Amino acid sequence: EDQVTQSPEALRLQEGESSSLNCSYTVSGLRGLFWYRQDPGKGPEFLFTLYSAGEEKEKERLKATLTKKESFLHITAPKPEDSATYLCAGGSGGYQKVTFGTGTKLQVIP
Amino acid sequence: DGGITQSPKYLFRKEGQNVTLSCEQNLNHDAMYWYRQDPGQGLRLIYYSQIVNDFQKGDIAEGYSVSREKKESFPLTVTSAQKNPTAFYLCASSVSNSPLHFGNGTRLTVT
Repeated sequence: EDQVTQSPEALRLQEGESSSLNCSYTVSGLRGLFWYRQDPGKGPEFLFTLYSAGEEKEKERLKATLTKKESFLHITAPKPEDSATYLCAGGSGGYQKVTFGTGTKLQVIP
Repeated sequence: DGGITQSPKYLFRKEGQNVTLSCEQNLNHDAMYWYRQDPGQGLRLIYYSQIVNDFQKGDIAEGYSVSREKKESFPLTVTSAQKNPTAFYLCASSVSNSPLHFGNGTRLTVT
């Protein structure tokens, strides 16, 4: 059974304090590892897709990396507006087969 | 602006009543999905549809029903048979192997 585990569950950072969120996965035939941002009361917003080990993608203060077992979302010098829940998901098989983690709730304090 | 519209944002119902959640997209995506989100759990797939007039059960379809009469629309009915209907419901769409594109959800409370 496919599984995606995110850690930590919650993370509190001072503004400017860089850190990383972890996503461990066991997904058979991984076709893509997805990162989403979700604000309270809203739907997830797509951030990145990573397809193969060694791949990296960046967007503003966020950088996502992928190994054969894990993905990391690195946040450099975060700002309060980066506060959100970050979801990781693994896609396999048909495009309806996406397994989501439970998310990391990030709070950035001014 | 292209996107997915879910309505209403909040919905309150009494136990024993069926309720229908609306989902409309203008992205011209072939595939549409319904997910349920509960605190401390990952998103779980309820139903999905790859083409008009065809849909398949996801992991937690019991107590739910859907229809796909138009490409743009994929309503979800939460029936009285659903044991634990209070949740945040998310509709999504995609093309081929592209990432899911989500609406802003409907929060259903059943008392």
